[in-house]
Amino acid sequence: KQEVTQIPAALSVPEGENLVLNCSFTDSAIYNLQWFRQDPGKGLTSLLLIQSSQREQTSGRLNASLDKSSGRSTLYIAASQPGDSATYLCAVRPRMGGGSEKLVFGKGTKLTVNP
Amino acid sequence: NAGVMQNPRHLVRRRGQEARLRCSPMKGHSHVYWYRQLPEEGLKFMVYLQKENIIDESGMPKERFSAEFPKEGPSILRIQQVVRGDSAAYFCASSSQGALNEQFFGPGTRLTVL
Repeated sequence: KQEVTQIPAALSVPEGENLVLNCSFTDSAIYNLQWFRQDPGKGLTSLLLIQSSQREQTSGRLNASLDKSSGRSTLYIAASQPGDSATYLCAVRPRMGGGSEKLVFGKGTKLTVNP
Repeated sequence: NAGVMQNPRHLVRRRGQEARLRCSPMKGHSHVYWYRQLPEEGLKFMVYLQKENIIDESGMPKERFSAEFPKEGPSILRIQQVVRGDSAAYFCASSSQGALNEQFFGPGTRLTVL
């Protein structure tokens, strides 16, 4: 059974710092991995999608890496800003039979960037 | 180019009533997924549907919950005889065909059971 863990559960940093959020998963048989952002009381915004054949994806100040063999992904945020404050969710799409395409989520890392 | 739409955004029901949550996928998407986020918990998969077919309902509670995605109209998640433990945020996502394709999420429906 695929399980996704995110560490730390919460993180508070001063504005301008570079930071890394961690995600680990127990089964390396995945199609892809996505990082999402969730603001309080809001929906999910997709940040980056990494296919299983890829090692990293970049979008602006965000860089996500994937090491499928070790079951790990990191989300790197450069020059953090108060507007980056949100909960960041990691999700994998397991490669499994039966046609299912569900995502398995971690519980998230709540990030606070202090001005 | 509207994204995934869900309504209502907030729904309040008393114990024993029925709750109907609606989801309209992005234009051109024929795959719909429902997830539930309980307080202080991560999102959990409930059900995956294609037009007129339930593909995977392994995350659905065995009783009181049902889902459909008719040929015409939105997908519906129906909860009968709601209980306080059903209070949660319910998210719908859609994708185009294929396991490699990204899922796009709606804003969610927040259900409160009094």
